[in-house]
Amino acid sequence: DAGVIQSPRHEVTEMGQEVTLRCKPISGHNSLFWYRQTMMRGLELLIYFNNNVPIDDSGMPEDRFSAKMPNASFSTLKIQPSEPRDSAVYFCASNPTGGNQPQHFGDGTRLSIL
Amino acid sequence: DAKTTQPPSMDCAEGRAANLPCNHSTISGNEYVYWYRQIHSQGPQYIIHGLKNNETNEMASLIITEDRKSSTLILPHATLRDTAVYYCIVRDSGGSNYKLTFGKGTLLTVNP
Repeated sequence: DAGVIQSPRHEVTEMGQEVTLRCKPISGHNSLFWYRQTMMRGLELLIYFNNNVPIDDSGMPEDRFSAKMPNASFSTLKIQPSEPRDSAVYFCASNPTGGNQPQHFGDGTRLSIL
Repeated sequence: DAKTTQPPSMDCAEGRAANLPCNHSTISGNEYVYWYRQIHSQGPQYIIHGLKNNETNEMASLIITEDRKSSTLILPHATLRDTAVYYCIVRDSGGSNYKLTFGKGTLLTVNP
């Protein structure tokens, strides 16, 4: 079975550039999550979608960050303009809504902003 | 606020059982216990979860005490590939409590 697929796996770009991270959730999963992991703060939830609708974006650090889910099989996390402090590993996860279903994570995008 | 307490690190010999403890003394009646692990440079991997009964799957066993205030994840025959950070998380199954709050976890090192 295909898991959560993220692209790119690695991204290195200069400060000020726009960065777009992509995620394909597991088919049939209608909840999607974006997380960020850093050494200082660990794993943090950025935003949660249910049935393609953003439900909780309280973890999005600031207006430079935006996320969309145009359909059930695709989501993007965009940073514009990027800053060095945005350097982190960004994970996408999905699960079926409701009950005790576990979230399943992709392998992440390692982002470095120079 | 952390809902779980785990030792920061543990060692285990290859081929032996690894028993990872977790304290969750403030767990409420409808909160499940989830275990994930993260191998270096990979995404967190779901292992197992349970409410109050012991659970077993192809990866591990989960033993939850009768009062549900603590649990133990058991890897029956640890291999070198099981070296990872293991996270114990409690989460409500209902309502809007969808967040997984990851603490610092336990770094399990399996030695040859």
